[in-house]
Amino acid sequence: DTGVSQDPRHKITKRGQNVTFRCDPISEHNRLYWYRQTLGQGPEFLTYFQNEAQLEKSRLLSDRFSAERPKGSFSTLEIQRTEQGDSAMYLCASSLRSGGVDTQYFGPGTRLTVL
Amino acid sequence: GENVEQHPSTLSVQEGDSAVIKCTYSDSASNYFPWYKQELGKRPQLIIDIRSNVGEKKDQRIAVTLNKTAKHFSLHITETQPEDSAVYFCAATNYGQNFVFGPGTRLSVLP
Repeated sequence: DTGVSQDPRHKITKRGQNVTFRCDPISEHNRLYWYRQTLGQGPEFLTYFQNEAQLEKSRLLSDRFSAERPKGSFSTLEIQRTEQGDSAMYLCASSLRSGGVDTQYFGPGTRLTVL
Repeated sequence: GENVEQHPSTLSVQEGDSAVIKCTYSDSASNYFPWYKQELGKRPQLIIDIRSNVGEKKDQRIAVTLNKTAKHFSLHITETQPEDSAVYFCAATNYGQNFVFGPGTRLSVLP
């Protein structure tokens, strides 16, 4: 499968625990995005990378959230001291700029449940 | 920042009829407008997109139109089929920065 992959697909954790998710983009894609999606809503932008540089982070994003893309390939999203409100689907997408646009392809998501 | 509105939130059509979903955006610098289809429990899938230098694009039964002056774009699905039933999201971005998605339209195609 040469698409975007995410791991794990599901994560159940207790409030206050830390969790880390991984995203592997399509290999030649230099941009990687993280989104959060709750039921009945569209994906909400969290942050994005161009290669290893984190270029933008949502102003709505809590300091408990951090993301890395150390070698410009896979990325990790960590949530510290999880809260019940963090329960959501976390989507990763990657893109390659072509003709001045970035066509995004999404991964299957990691569904987080915080008890 | 960019704000994207989408209407209607739900849409039911008879099989074979057309469906139209409309989105408006606020940032005149936005230059790329993709549409995604998301089936229950699955990832969003890109179905069509349009760049700001184009007014209309068509791919078989799906078309997208863009009015830059009014800052709105629409998805048109003709000859709808039951498998078109899903949630559709529009999005807008300025050169790949901070994609902003609309809240979605749940389309139901009734047999």
